[in-house]
Amino acid sequence: EIVLTQSPATLSVSPGERATLSCRASQYINIDLAWYQQKPGQAPRVLMYHSSTRDTGIPARFSGSGSGTEFTLTISSLQSEDFAVYYCQQYHKWPLTFGGGTKVEIK
Amino acid sequence: EVQLVESGGGVVRPGGSLRLSCAASGFTFGDYAMNWVRQAPGKGLEWVSDINWSGDTTGYTDSVKGRFSISRDNARNSLYMQMDSLRAEDTALYYCARVKDSKYWAFDIWGQGTMVTVSS
Repeated sequence: EIVLTQSPATLSVSPGERATLSCRASQYINIDLAWYQQKPGQAPRVLMYHSSTRDTGIPARFSGSGSGTEFTLTISSLQSEDFAVYYCQQYHKWPLTFGGGTKVEIK
Repeated sequence: EVQLVESGGGVVRPGGSLRLSCAASGFTFGDYAMNWVRQAPGKGLEWVSDINWSGDTTGYTDSVKGRFSISRDNARNSLYMQMDSLRAEDTALYYCARVKDSKYWAFDIWGQGTMVTVSS
C-alpha cells in the first residue's frame, strides 16, 4: 500500500499570506495525485488532479506541483473561505490512499 | 444539477448488516466509475471500494474484503454497498463519489454522506 504523508499537520496562516502544503508518497506515483479541500460538516471538494491540473471552477490562487514522490499544494493568497482541511490522494496503484490531512487555520 | 444522495445508514450491532444506496442525478450515471469513501468521526478520509462503469470490475480496501460488496444498477442510476459482519471500526460517514475520468481517478462529485454506527 502506498502511504501518503502530509506535512505539516496544522498550518497557521494570516489572510492574504501564502500557504504551502506538502504530500510525500512512500513510493513512485508519477503525477497520479489529487488534492481535496474539506470544510467542517461538508463533503470534500476536489481542487487538483494529475498533480497540477485545477478542477473546474477552482480559483487560480490554488496551484499544484510535483511528481514522483514529492508534491506541493500552494495557495498564493489565503482568503477566509480557504481555511479548511486539505487531503492528498494517489491513484497510481490500488488500494487508493489518502494522506492524513493538513489543517489550515487562521493565525 | 449533478448530485449524489446517499441513504441507508443507521445504528447496527457488531456482526450485523446494512445496505447503503447512492442515487445519482444530473449526469449519465452509466458513463462513470463510482466509489465509496468513508470518514470515521474526527478522522481523515479512507477509500473503501470502487466499481467500473459496467459493474464487472470492483476493488476493495483490505479491511473490508469478504465483508462488503459494491454493486450498481445503471438503469436505476444507483450505486450500492452491502455491508455484512460489521465491526466497531466500520463506524464512519460513508460517501459515494464519482470518478472524474478513467485517466484521472480523482473524485469530482461527492454526496453528503450517510452515517453508519456499529455499536452494541
